[in-house]
Amino acid sequence: DTEVTQTPKHLVMGMTNKKSLKCEQHMGHRAMYWYKQKAKKPPELMFVYSYEKLSINESVPSRFSPECPNSSLLNLHLHALQPEDSALYLCASSQSLHSNQPQHFGDGTRLSIL
Amino acid sequence: AQTVTQSQPEMSVQEAETVTLSCTYDTSESDYYLFWYKQPPSRQMILVIRQEAYKQQNATENRFSVNFQKAAKSFSLKISDSQLGDAAMYFCAYRSALETGNQFYFGTGTSLTVIP
Repeated sequence: DTEVTQTPKHLVMGMTNKKSLKCEQHMGHRAMYWYKQKAKKPPELMFVYSYEKLSINESVPSRFSPECPNSSLLNLHLHALQPEDSALYLCASSQSLHSNQPQHFGDGTRLSIL
Repeated sequence: AQTVTQSQPEMSVQEAETVTLSCTYDTSESDYYLFWYKQPPSRQMILVIRQEAYKQQNATENRFSVNFQKAAKSFSLKISDSQLGDAAMYFCAYRSALETGNQFYFGTGTSLTVIP
C-alpha cells in the first residue's frame, strides 16, 4: 500500500473542462511535489511545496494551478488543457527539502485529454 | 543542470540470475546523493537504494547493491537472485546537496524484463 494517496486514478476530460487532482499523505512530511510523466520517460518536476508554500514552479503553463491547503494535502487544478497534457501525474512527498531525504511517490493519476 | 545517463534502454535477466544496470552522471559538485527508483506497471515509483557521495562504502539493500565509482561518476545497480517481481522500469537519479528545492535529475530509465 502506498503512503501517498492520489485520486482519481484515471481521468478523462475535454479541453474545456475544469478538474482537480488530489494528493494526500499522513506521514508528517512538509515537502510535496507534482511531476508529469510521459510513457517510457522519466518524471518531470512541475511544482514543489515546502511548508505549504510554493517553492519551485518549473515554468509550468498557467492552465495547471497547484494548491496546498494544508500540510497533508496537495491539489492540482486543471483548466483548458491541451492533448499534449495527457500523461501520468505523480505526486510525491518528503520529510523536508533536504537533499538526502527520499521522496515517496503515489500511484499517479492517468490523465487523458480528448 | 546535471545530466544522468542510462545507456541501456532495455535489459533482460533469467530468473535467479544477476543483472547490472548502468548509470553515469555529470557534475562538478563534490557533495550529492544518488538514488535508484523502480517503477513497476502499477506505476508507483519505489525507492530501491540510496548512496551518499561522501561515503566510500557501497550501499546494499538485501538483493540490491550498487557499485559507486565517484571518480568515474558511475553508479550501477546490481540485482542478485532476480525475481519476477523485479520486472520494472528502473530510474537512476541525482540530487545535489547544495541546491534547495530537492530537485531530482532522472536518467531516461532502463526497462528490466525477468524471464521465468
